[in-house]
Amino acid sequence: ETGVTQSPTHLIKTRGQQVTLRCSSQSGHNTVSWYQQALGQGPQFIFQYYREEENGRGNFPPRFSGLQFPNYSSELNVNALELDDSALYLCASSLVVTTTDTQYFGPGTRLTVL
Amino acid sequence: KQEVTQIPAALSVPEGENLVLNCSFTDSAIYNLQWFRQDPGKGLTSLLLIQSSQREQTSGRLNASLDKSSGRSTLYIAASQPGDSATYLCAVKTGANNLFFGTGTRLTVIP
Repeated sequence: ETGVTQSPTHLIKTRGQQVTLRCSSQSGHNTVSWYQQALGQGPQFIFQYYREEENGRGNFPPRFSGLQFPNYSSELNVNALELDDSALYLCASSLVVTTTDTQYFGPGTRLTVL
Repeated sequence: KQEVTQIPAALSVPEGENLVLNCSFTDSAIYNLQWFRQDPGKGLTSLLLIQSSQREQTSGRLNASLDKSSGRSTLYIAASQPGDSATYLCAVKTGANNLFFGTGTRLTVIP
């Protein structure tokens, strides 16, 4: 059984550019959540996808968007990058969407916006 | 809006000491509370998950308690080791899709 993987591990972009981050869920998991973790802060919920549909969103602007594919891998897209978007982006997968399930986190992608 | 606070922000202890990390949350309507470990620049490793109906969970040298009515949880680490050095995060689940995290406690165990 493979865990949650993310790519790339590090990324440097300039302000105004667009970026795509990728996540492969743990085998058999149909739910993926994305979080943003700024330096020295706890992760903040961006959105969740369940069976290829968005299933909840945090307080992030529309330039943060996502996709989930039939194999349950996922992408996070950020348009018009701003300096404050510099952070560690974490994805987490879970087996089902319930109130008691455990989310399994990937190692994260470190995004630096210059 | 749910807010999660962790005290202290940083803690330094000599090896072998027992220690307690604190987590408090403002809205007691939670489904579960989870403690995570994060090494510098890395992802999160789940340590313990306590469902709202439970009072505590134990795993090895770790014990987590939950008092939902008062909005508090503690993580007790027995006989600390240098390998325990990391940031510890608590998170509460208030719906099917969202975890609210605290800002973490950075623990250093001195050999």
